Amino acid sequence: DVKVTQSSRYLVKRTGEKVFLECVQDMDHENMFWYRQDPGLGLRLIYFSYDVKMKEKGDIPEGYSVSREKKERFSLILESASTNQTSMYLCASSGSTGGRTGELFFGEGSRLTVL
Amino acid sequence: QKEVEQNSGPLSVPEGAIASLNCTYSDRGSQSFFWYRQYSGKSPELIMFIYSNGDKEDGRFTAQLNKASQYVSLLIRDSQPSDSATYLCAATTGGFKTIFGAGTRLFVKA
Repeated sequence: DVKVTQSSRYLVKRTGEKVFLECVQDMDHENMFWYRQDPGLGLRLIYFSYDVKMKEKGDIPEGYSVSREKKERFSLILESASTNQTSMYLCASSGSTGGRTGELFFGEGSRLTVL
Repeated sequence: QKEVEQNSGPLSVPEGAIASLNCTYSDRGSQSFFWYRQYSGKSPELIMFIYSNGDKEDGRFTAQLNKASQYVSLLIRDSQPSDSATYLCAATTGGFKTIFGAGTRLFVKA
């Protein structure tokens, strides 16, 4: 079974703090993604990566950055957290063979509250 | 601008009935389509994918794709209370980017 592990299930941070969300997958997947999920808005893509050291902006990259130094690890960074970044953050991974890039396997999510 | 649209629901059906969930997408370049199920407090999990026009059946689930109408649907036969969840439609564009709809909440009444 694919396992996608997110480092923290619940975080509470102060406005202006730097926040790191870590994600590790164990299936040797090429692609990794960060989404945020908010009521009524569904999942919105923040950043994705299709290879080590490669990153692409999603639909809402402002205020976020990412790092992928190793194939299995994809980190989301909030340089200066703001209250409007309070959300559920979901990491996902997928393989690249046979058109399966959209078959995402999700981690359990990290619920971030910014005070 | 939303690229994948779903009726937010809730959709309520009696146990044993057919639940019909619908989705439209705006990008004609979308190549692959997916249905994810998300239970309350849990992460989405993939239940169906479809790449070609027509129907695809897997157990009680049938996915339907009409690229000319830019329409995707999911039918759940013999609905069970355990099917009560939010169903997310997703489309992959440009090879790597998967865009989700906001989801339809389904309630199956026992």
